Amino acid sequence: EPEVTQTPSHQVTQMGQEVILRCVPISNHLYFYWYRQILGQKVEFLVSFYNNEISEKSEIFDDQFSVERPDGSNFTLKIRSTKLEDSAMYFCASRLEGGGETQYFGPGTRLLVL
Amino acid sequence: AQSVTQLDSQVPVFEEAPVELRCNYSSSVSVYLFWYVQYPNQGLQLLLKYLSGSTLVKGINGFEAEFNKSQTSFHLRKPSVHISDTAEYFCAVSGGSNYKLTFGKGTLLTVNP
Repeated sequence: EPEVTQTPSHQVTQMGQEVILRCVPISNHLYFYWYRQILGQKVEFLVSFYNNEISEKSEIFDDQFSVERPDGSNFTLKIRSTKLEDSAMYFCASRLEGGGETQYFGPGTRLLVL
Repeated sequence: AQSVTQLDSQVPVFEEAPVELRCNYSSSVSVYLFWYVQYPNQGLQLLLKYLSGSTLVKGINGFEAEFNKSQTSFHLRKPSVHISDTAEYFCAVSGGSNYKLTFGKGTLLTVNP
């Protein structure tokens, strides 16, 4: 069964450093999402991406965040200058256009900012 | 705007007992409703969903949920739980053109022998 994959599974970085989280969505899906889950809190929407552009973003998704689909298979989330409060589990999800609105999630990347 | 309230943060039950995990939502538009499960150190797995039609939906692993529009609820049930059902369960709604998901805070189901 096709699945969403994410790399790395864990990343530790120093405050102020840039990180890139990578996702490979399900191959025929057209809508892509990033969510995050701070430890002990709910899963929160960050951004949605369709047709090579951001279709919606949350208040959390400020100028330090960016997304890209560089090669038609990968979907990346970049955090330019990490802060302590960026420590969280980051989930990528994808959805098939017109496909029952189900989002399929990857296993997540646990980011720890020191 | 959409919101989801999961009324119980933790639900401990004994094996083979029935369980109900409660979820209420609010939205100004029509929504789709989902339950996701997260096993320890794993991602989110779709358990079941309500899009339209019959208000009783069946999912994987013997779970089912009932959509109640008048009470804006989507409670998850299982008649007999197993140890392996121990996990965090998230209720979520989606709506609007991008179908982003709005999640509840989750309910930790712990099944004891």
